[in-house]
Amino acid sequence: AQKVTQAQTEISVVEKEDVTLDCVYETRDTTYYLFWYKQPPSGELVFLIRRNSFDEQNEISGRYSWNFQKSTSSFNFTITASQVVDSAVYFCALSEAPNAGKSTFGDGTTLTVKP
Amino acid sequence: NAGVTQTPKFRVLKTGQSMTLLCAQDMNHEYMYWYRQDPGMGLRLIHYSVGEGTTAKGEVPDGYNVSRLKKQNFLLGLESAAPSQTSVYFCASTEDRWDQPQHFGDGTRLSIL
Repeated sequence: AQKVTQAQTEISVVEKEDVTLDCVYETRDTTYYLFWYKQPPSGELVFLIRRNSFDEQNEISGRYSWNFQKSTSSFNFTITASQVVDSAVYFCALSEAPNAGKSTFGDGTTLTVKP
Repeated sequence: NAGVTQTPKFRVLKTGQSMTLLCAQDMNHEYMYWYRQDPGMGLRLIHYSVGEGTTAKGEVPDGYNVSRLKKQNFLLGLESAAPSQTSVYFCASTEDRWDQPQHFGDGTRLSIL
């Protein structure tokens, strides 16, 4: 069965600090996708990034970067020079092929960035 | 660009009452989902649909029913509301491909007294 674990329930940092959100997954499939979503205080869920199981290249997008390591079944998310606007709940999700597009979500990590 | 629209946004019910949450998407997506979000528990799948006229149970389907009579609409019904169903409900949709991200509505905050 697939499972996503976000062990960090809450993280609090001061603005401009770097912060890494951990995501560990379990799956028996060799073909799968991983996703990160952001849920700001306003409540909507916004897609950030996806990565397939065959692509272990790290990705950087502005202040955001993602580190995917199949050897440790992890897909971690780093925010560099955090800002108050980064305060949100972040969810990691796993989708196995084919599975009607269903995703298994982690319980989320609440990030608070203080000014 | 409406995307996924949920109505209503807020609702308070008394135990035993019934209601229907409506989800509408304008992206011609095949797959649609209903989740509930409770504190510290992430998103849990209630029911989903892979196309017009189809529905299937998710992780926590008890106490809920769904219908997908039109491709763009996915309805979630509570026949006899219980306090345990107090939650934030999210609808999502995606293309008929397993590798695509889901597009979410803004959520419905439901309180059952």
